[in-house]
Amino acid sequence: SQKIEQNSEALNIQEGKTATLTCNYTNYSPAYLQWYRQDPGRGPVFLLLIRENEKEKRKERLKVTFDTTLKQSLFHITASQPADSATYLCALDWTAGNKLTFGGGTRVLVKP
Amino acid sequence: EAGVAQSPRYKIIEKRQSVAFWCNPISGHATLYWYQQILGQGPKLLIQFQNNGVVDDSQLPKDRFSAERLKGVDSTLKIQPAKLEDSAVYLCASSPSKTGELFFGEGSRLTVL
Repeated sequence: SQKIEQNSEALNIQEGKTATLTCNYTNYSPAYLQWYRQDPGRGPVFLLLIRENEKEKRKERLKVTFDTTLKQSLFHITASQPADSATYLCALDWTAGNKLTFGGGTRVLVKP
Repeated sequence: EAGVAQSPRYKIIEKRQSVAFWCNPISGHATLYWYQQILGQGPKLLIQFQNNGVVDDSQLPKDRFSAERLKGVDSTLKIQPAKLEDSAVYLCASSPSKTGELFFGEGSRLTVL
């Protein structure tokens, strides 16, 4: 069965620096991959979607890459701010039917 | 536009009791999901509906969990009888299409004592 791995250790980063999160998966590549943000006590909020045939997507200070050879996606937050502190979840769809499997998430703490 | 509505936000019950959660998706969204999120973990899909039909319920513990989506709009998730390990946040999400972002509700936090 497919597995998704995100770094379970929290990422502490100084304000203004770039935060880089990883999402690794096993077996074959998904049709597409999504990243979500989750704040304590709230539901996840969609950030970005990248398809199997795309290498990079950007949205404001966010950038996602997708390397099907390495079976890995990287999520970057540039010029990080304390308001970026949250848990970030990657989610993969291997069925192209919008059946998402989530990773365990990585907590990011941006210090002023 | 109104978001995904869930109720109740919090519920505390004793083991072997029953509980029901309600979800009203965003208007017009054909696909509805129930996820279970245990503390410190990512959401785990329990069931996916397309309109009022079940697309996937392979991870739903059917001996105790049931879900329905009557008339293809709102949905109810029931647990009967509850076990201690059912303590989690139950997230409802909806999507307007077969591919693309999910819109989540705030979740219903269940504590089983």
